[in-house]
Amino acid sequence: DIQMTQSPSSLSASVGDRVTLTCRASQYISNSLNWYQQRPGKAPSLLIFSASRLQSGVPSNFSGSGSGTDFTLTISGLRPVDFATYFCQQSYSLPITFGQGTRLEIK
Amino acid sequence: QVQLQESGPGLVKPSETLSLTCSVSGASISPYYWNWIRQPPGKGLEWIGYLYYSGNTNYNPSLKSRVTISVDTSKNQFSLRLSSVTSADTAVYFCARRGPSYTDYYIDYWGQGILVTVSS
Repeated sequence: DIQMTQSPSSLSASVGDRVTLTCRASQYISNSLNWYQQRPGKAPSLLIFSASRLQSGVPSNFSGSGSGTDFTLTISGLRPVDFATYFCQQSYSLPITFGQGTRLEIK
Repeated sequence: QVQLQESGPGLVKPSETLSLTCSVSGASISPYYWNWIRQPPGKGLEWIGYLYYSGNTNYNPSLKSRVTISVDTSKNQFSLRLSSVTSADTAVYFCARRGPSYTDYYIDYWGQGILVTVSS
């Protein structure tokens, strides 16, 4: 299985800040990387697919980049609703696997 | 609007079989891939497996010997059975749809999740 490692595991930031979350794959996955947001008690919600493509309806303050093994999710102009947990997921090979998550907290 | 809703027992005894159903509304079961994903309390996400509307399945090797996913197209539902459960199977179970991309495997619709606790 491909292992996905996210860093940091938690992050404190303020409203209006710009933050970058990182996801690293244990082997080459091309651009087969997706990002999800999960609020407490809710199901995850797709933000970014194919490393950099914004899902319909997702605000433009979210952006993704990377290829190969290293990927980033950048959130600019943090809003209160953006404080949540973020997961990456590789789709290069089955079984699909997820990172352990980055919890974004309000400072 | 596509909606998925999990249903089933919230408490299962050790060694018994966990059975859940996902009811899909706002979309047909065909021609999509339908998934089960679980999340132990306070932990990350684990893909259990998928079912293609035709009945083809693929399971996570870590669970393959215990998992069965099936479909009832007449009811627009699909189901999960996980046998010989232990406390390690306690989790929120999500049913979910793979997005329409032929080249990428992402989840575009999720159920709200159902907590299943394994305990005697």
